[in-house]
Amino acid sequence: GAVVSQHPSWVICKSGTSVKIECRSLDFQATTMFWYRQFPKQSLMLMATSNEGSKATYEQGVEKDKFLINHASLTLSTLTVTSAHPEDSSFYICSAPGRRDTGELFFGEGSRLTVL
Amino acid sequence: AQTVTQSQPEMSVQEAETVTLSCTYDTSESDYYLFWYKQPPSRQMILVIRQEAYKQQNATENRFSVNFQKAAKSFSLKISDSQLGDAAMYFCAYSLPQGGSEKLVFGKGTKLTVNP
Repeated sequence: GAVVSQHPSWVICKSGTSVKIECRSLDFQATTMFWYRQFPKQSLMLMATSNEGSKATYEQGVEKDKFLINHASLTLSTLTVTSAHPEDSSFYICSAPGRRDTGELFFGEGSRLTVL
Repeated sequence: AQTVTQSQPEMSVQEAETVTLSCTYDTSESDYYLFWYKQPPSRQMILVIRQEAYKQQNATENRFSVNFQKAAKSFSLKISDSQLGDAAMYFCAYSLPQGGSEKLVFGKGTKLTVNP
């Protein structure tokens, strides 16, 4: 099946620094990728839709300048958490659509961000 | 806006027994997808089963089956012959067909414990 890979799986950073998380589709091309955020013991909340070659579409309430998304190629999307603060600590998950007629999403392994 | 409701925060089942997880959703659309995803302690999201709204037949995948009641907007998951490896968070999700750009809306999840 299709594989989506995220890196890093775990990152700890100091407050005020920026952190980049990569999401790659390993065996298929993805013109669209989705970034979700998951707080402990909670559900996945869609943050933004990453579009290859164009600007990302952000969900209401998500700060565009805080969470920079770049979809530079058909297999790579990146999420950069800028000037990170402890409240940005969370589990971030990316996903990419599978076959067009299934609606299924393939998920990365997730990245746990801890901001000290 | 579409919403997905899982009314059971936690459920438990004895190994080899059957358990049913509830899910209801709200939509004005007639064509959509419904999913159950499993998230084990590893946090990797795994597709359990999917249902297309225009299909009346309930989807089945080995020990997993759904009871899809379109008029009632209900989509429950039945796990038969429960195994210890079934222990996980289960998320019900909904999406609209968008030609490869489907966004998933998740319920809050049900934590399933399997007792030996």
